[in-house]
Amino acid sequence: AQSVAQPEDQVNVAEGNPLTVKCTYSVSGNPYLFWYVQYPNRGLQFLLKYITGDNLVKGSYGFEAEFNKSQTSFHLKKPSALVSDSALYFCAVRGESGGSYIPTFGRGTSLIVHP
Amino acid sequence: EAGVAQSPRYKIIEKRQSVAFWCNPISGHATLYWYQQILGQGPKLLIQFQNNGVVDDSQLPKDRFSAERLKGVDSTLKIQPAKLEDSAVYLCASSFGGLSTDTQYFGPGTRLTVL
Repeated sequence: AQSVAQPEDQVNVAEGNPLTVKCTYSVSGNPYLFWYVQYPNRGLQFLLKYITGDNLVKGSYGFEAEFNKSQTSFHLKKPSALVSDSALYFCAVRGESGGSYIPTFGRGTSLIVHP
Repeated sequence: EAGVAQSPRYKIIEKRQSVAFWCNPISGHATLYWYQQILGQGPKLLIQFQNNGVVDDSQLPKDRFSAERLKGVDSTLKIQPAKLEDSAVYLCASSFGGLSTDTQYFGPGTRLTVL
């Protein structure tokens, strides 16, 4: 069965500092990896995805993520955090499971950016 | 472009009652998803439609949950009878095609409280 782990419930960072939100996955076959952000009382918004090709993926709002196949990781990064980046971040994977590519989400990581 | 619409936004019912949620996907999107997001957890796929056919409903509790997308556009998710553990946010998402690589676009969700 496929799975996603987000080992940190909360990440705290000062505004202007770089941020990293961690994600590791387990899937059979090639993984398709996604990051979404969720603001209070709103649905999830797509940030970026890795399908194939370049391991460094650039997305919305200055975020990027690095796919590492050997470590089965897909960490989300941003060079300089903003207070407005404070939100809940979800990593998701789709892989082949019994012939069906069911999306599986992590538990989420709360990012808090301090002024 | 209008986003994914969901209604109602909030619903409070007593256990053993029935409830229905409605979703209208982005125009032209063939694939529609229903997710259950319990507080503190990531979204869990309940059912995936492509046009008016079911692609995957392996995680749908079929003894009490049902969903339909009769005309291949909007969809309803029903719970009958509701249990306390059904308290969650129910998210609807859509994507243009049916590929696992396609980006999903989420609605704002319906927050269900079962008393």
